[in-house]
Amino acid sequence: AQTVTQSQPEMSVQEAETVTLSCTYDTSENNYYLFWYKQPPSRQMILVIRQEAYKQQNATENRFSVNFQKAAKSFSLKISDSQLGDTAMYFCAFITYNNNDMRFGAGTRLTVKP
Amino acid sequence: GAGVSQSPSNKVTEKGKDVELRCDPISGHTALYWYRQSLGQGLEFLIYFQGNSAPDKSGLPSDRFSAERTGGSVSTLTIQRTQQEDSAVYLCATQRRLSAGELFFGEGSRLTVL
Repeated sequence: AQTVTQSQPEMSVQEAETVTLSCTYDTSENNYYLFWYKQPPSRQMILVIRQEAYKQQNATENRFSVNFQKAAKSFSLKISDSQLGDTAMYFCAFITYNNNDMRFGAGTRLTVKP
Repeated sequence: GAGVSQSPSNKVTEKGKDVELRCDPISGHTALYWYRQSLGQGLEFLIYFQGNSAPDKSGLPSDRFSAERTGGSVSTLTIQRTQQEDSAVYLCATQRRLSAGELFFGEGSRLTVL
């Protein structure tokens, strides 16, 4: 079975500081994609960053970057220079090339404090 | 429209009533997913449609739940004889074919069963 685990239900960080959200997954597949989605209080899920499993280079999107460790099945999200607008639920997600349903973790509620 | 549109935004119903939730996908997106998000929880996969293929219904929690996608476009999720445990946010997401897995989400329909 494919599972996604986020072990940090809640985190907080001071504005302008850096925070890392953890995610691990379990699969027997070799080809897959990993995602971090953000869900602000408005409920709209927004893609933050995506990583293809075949790529060794970690993905980056402005202040957001990932640490992808394929052997360890770990996919953490680093947010640099945190901003108040980063306050949201963050979900780690996973989909294989051959599977239809994207699996989501339970989420981490991040609060950025002024 | 430019994004995934869901209606109603909020629905309050009495236990035992039937409800219908609607999803209008992004034009041209061939894949459509329904997820359920209970309060403070992650996303639970319900059902997946891809083009004209038979839907993947493996996530539907009971036979009270059903979904249709007419003409490969609009989808309706129906819950019959609602129970209090059906209270949740129901999220619809769509996906372009060969899009490296990214899902585009609607804002969800919040269902409250009294």
